[in-house]
Amino acid sequence: EAGVVQSPRYKIIEKKQPVAFWCNPISGHNTLYWYRQNLGQGPELLIRYENEEAVDDSQLPKDRFSAERLKGVDSTLKIQPAELGDSAVYLCASSGGASGSPGELFFGEGSRLTVL
Amino acid sequence: AQRVTQPEKLLSVFKGAPVELKCNYSYSGSPELFWYVQYSRQRLQLLLRHISRESIKGFTADLNKGETSFHLKKPFAQEEDSAMYYCALKPGGYNKLIFGAGTRLAVHP
Repeated sequence: EAGVVQSPRYKIIEKKQPVAFWCNPISGHNTLYWYRQNLGQGPELLIRYENEEAVDDSQLPKDRFSAERLKGVDSTLKIQPAELGDSAVYLCASSGGASGSPGELFFGEGSRLTVL
Repeated sequence: AQRVTQPEKLLSVFKGAPVELKCNYSYSGSPELFWYVQYSRQRLQLLLRHISRESIKGFTADLNKGETSFHLKKPFAQEEDSAMYYCALKPGGYNKLIFGAGTRLAVHP
């Protein structure tokens, strides 16, 4: 089992450019999360999906961020246009199914974004 | 407000010394508390949860509702314990985690 897979691992773009991150959760996990982790801070939830439905997106800056989870499996997080303050590590996590403890989240390795 | 506070950014100890990583939370309901750990070049992973009341890698944590704390303890630190440690709160009825800012534990030989 590869665990949660994210790509790209690193992305450097200039401000005002678009960027997209992809996440493949653990097979059978119904819940998918996107977190943002700024330097020196803990992860902050951007959006949570239960299957295809976004059930918690109150922290997602909807003017420039969008996300989708088609067919309730893979997910994409997009930023357009990117700003300098968007530089961070974007973490995808999944939970549910038969693996892990109740409430346990399984994280990907993250996508590190640098906006110049 | 739901919040997790880890007051120490860095905790530096020598091998064999006791360790206590502090975590305080703010939540009006009945919380579930977790400790996650991130070793160098590895992904964030669960260390322990208060409901299980287990000792994992020699670490324990007790939920103190009176002091709203969930401190992580280990009697004798090892060099391989060096990592970032994050305390996390799961609000009742919500399938999400709220993380603290993290504490870096450095164990020196």
